[in-house]
Amino acid sequence: EPEVTQTPSHQVTQMGQEVILRCVPISNHLYFYWYRQILGQKVEFLVSFYNNEISEKSEIFDDQFSVERPDGSNFTLKIRSTKLEDSAMYFCARQINRGADGYTFGSGTRLTVV
Amino acid sequence: GNSVTQMEGPVTLSEEAFLTINCTYTATGYPSLFWYVQYPGEGLQLLLKATKADDKGSNKGFEATYRKETTSFHLEKGSVQVSDSAVYFCALTLNDYKLSFGAGTTVTVRA
Repeated sequence: EPEVTQTPSHQVTQMGQEVILRCVPISNHLYFYWYRQILGQKVEFLVSFYNNEISEKSEIFDDQFSVERPDGSNFTLKIRSTKLEDSAMYFCARQINRGADGYTFGSGTRLTVV
Repeated sequence: GNSVTQMEGPVTLSEEAFLTINCTYTATGYPSLFWYVQYPGEGLQLLLKATKADDKGSNKGFEATYRKETTSFHLEKGSVQVSDSAVYFCALTLNDYKLSFGAGTTVTVRA
């Protein structure tokens, strides 16, 4: 099963800066997701993306967040003005079909906001 | 809302010991239940699943039974190995796409 690659694996950024987290899931996968895990807390759903549109987003996914598939292959999560509380592990996932065993997760990007 | 509560870690065991990680859930409806595992430096991988009450999921020597009466899905393995050292996540879904996870339990197996 092809992997989902996330870059960078770890990013440190100053509060107020913009960050872009990248995910390469392969172009024939239709459903894409971002989840995050604040240290010691649950893994939380952020957003789902289907047919190049957001299909669902959580309360966490406010105006500071955006997602794109800029070139049909990469899937990005942008945080416009980072806050300390954005520090977390961010997981990208793709799903070939509707069925939770169709998920493949990336290894995550650890974002540290200082 | 839907939520998952799993046993807090970390858990440290010796090789060949018995492992249990408790997981209970709250859901409006009849969820599918999962255990995911994350080995160091890797992504979350599906370990096993159960889609209805009394189903038993099993894989790599791990088992979990969907208990509707106790809203639980405890993970067990009879004899752990060093290679089982990882973070284990219990999760549920009601709609086959959005997952709700527990906080994860870190398991370390010592030789």
